[in-house]
Amino acid sequence: DGGITQSPKYLFRKEGQNVTLSCEQNLNHDAMYWYRQDPGQGLRLIYYSQIVNDFQKGDIAEGYSVSREKKESFPLTVTSAQKNPTAFYLCASSIWEGPSYEQYFGPGTRLTVT
Amino acid sequence: AQSVSQHNHHVILSEAASLELGCNYSYGGTVNLFWYVQYPGQHLQLLLKYFSGDPLVKGIKGFEAEFIKSKFSFNLRKPSVQWSDTAEYFCAVGYSGGYNKLIFGAGTRLAVHP
Repeated sequence: DGGITQSPKYLFRKEGQNVTLSCEQNLNHDAMYWYRQDPGQGLRLIYYSQIVNDFQKGDIAEGYSVSREKKESFPLTVTSAQKNPTAFYLCASSIWEGPSYEQYFGPGTRLTVT
Repeated sequence: AQSVSQHNHHVILSEAASLELGCNYSYGGTVNLFWYVQYPGQHLQLLLKYFSGDPLVKGIKGFEAEFIKSKFSFNLRKPSVQWSDTAEYFCAVGYSGGYNKLIFGAGTRLAVHP
């Protein structure tokens, strides 16, 4: 089955620790995205990547880092510099060019930092 | 800055009632428009999309949306809702020059009572 997997589903960390969220896709999409979802705020873009070894900051990149070493993988690290890391994190992918596209989403990872 | 507004944050309806969820976006030239839905415990999935052509777009599960360019709106409608439509609905806009980057509205949480 083609799709996007995110692991783990739930993640708990102590304040001050970095944590890495996994995102893998087998849709052969060039572009991948990380969003943060908070109640009443919709989805906000953290980082996106159009191609391997290239990525761009989104609207709320501070305190986060990413890498894109393989087409199918786009891990997100939530660093200790992120002031309010507790949230639901969604990974997505899409084709990058073309007149018609949509973003496909993974099941999400709920991160709780205490 | 480009933005997307969803006017209704919470909507409660009885089964068989009609539904209309508002979505307005800030001016920014040519746009691609999407409605996504997040059912409880499920992935965010595409409900419908508009790229060009007929401004009345039909999606899955009996939903439709109308693009009114003069009003910068893309409202979602369904003539008769079911309990299974209980979900959170997100409007998203892709602006020219950054089509594959989407800006999401804050979401509308719909509860349908039997």
